[in-house]
Amino acid sequence: GENVGLHLPTLSVQEGDNSIINCAYSNSASDYFIWYKQESGKGPQFIIDIRSNMDKRQGQRVTVLLNKTVKHLSLQIAATQPGDSAVYFCAENLGGNTPLVFGKGTRLSVIA
Amino acid sequence: DAGVTQSPTHLIKTRGQQVTLRCSPKSGHDTVSWYQQALGQGPQFIFQYYEEEERQRGNFPDRFSGHQFPNYSSELNVNALLLGDSALYLCASSWDTGELFFGEGSRLTVL
Repeated sequence: GENVGLHLPTLSVQEGDNSIINCAYSNSASDYFIWYKQESGKGPQFIIDIRSNMDKRQGQRVTVLLNKTVKHLSLQIAATQPGDSAVYFCAENLGGNTPLVFGKGTRLSVIA
Repeated sequence: DAGVTQSPTHLIKTRGQQVTLRCSPKSGHDTVSWYQQALGQGPQFIFQYYEEEERQRGNFPDRFSGHQFPNYSSELNVNALLLGDSALYLCASSWDTGELFFGEGSRLTVL
């Protein structure tokens, strides 16, 4: 299969622990932010999004935090499972049909 | 309901050749975007097609061109291939400015 995550920062966590993946975004004018999960051999899969008028949004087992002051985005995964092992990307855009700009990605490795 | 489908999944070309990659969007979607993902990097936006027109374009040379057909499917063409064009090419579809759904990509190797 595809190895999309060579030479990426890696976060290793024990199964059942919480994971926090961080992202520094580039454009202070960005209005919309998304976290994607990319497993080997697959395309990016939407996890959760947040707009710039919010600082926190929760989904099922995932929470995204946005700090516009320091242009920082984080993804928290509760009770990490082996199936969460993948490369995670943050992406940003200016809203509307402006293109998404992806960050460099972080590989999450879950130790059973 | 089929998601975004891309073909071929893998292909090998030599420098100077031309390649065409194809994408069928998710049912109900009218907008197709193409991204290039080099190994170990995040996807980079190439261009977006809507109503058979290129609506947005990223920082890619004119060797990269595309097309959208009346049934919303799309092609990405790359001419005069360079070694640096080796990458995973991702197609994503959406309904106008809605959520992007990605295909599994076409892995291009240029020798």
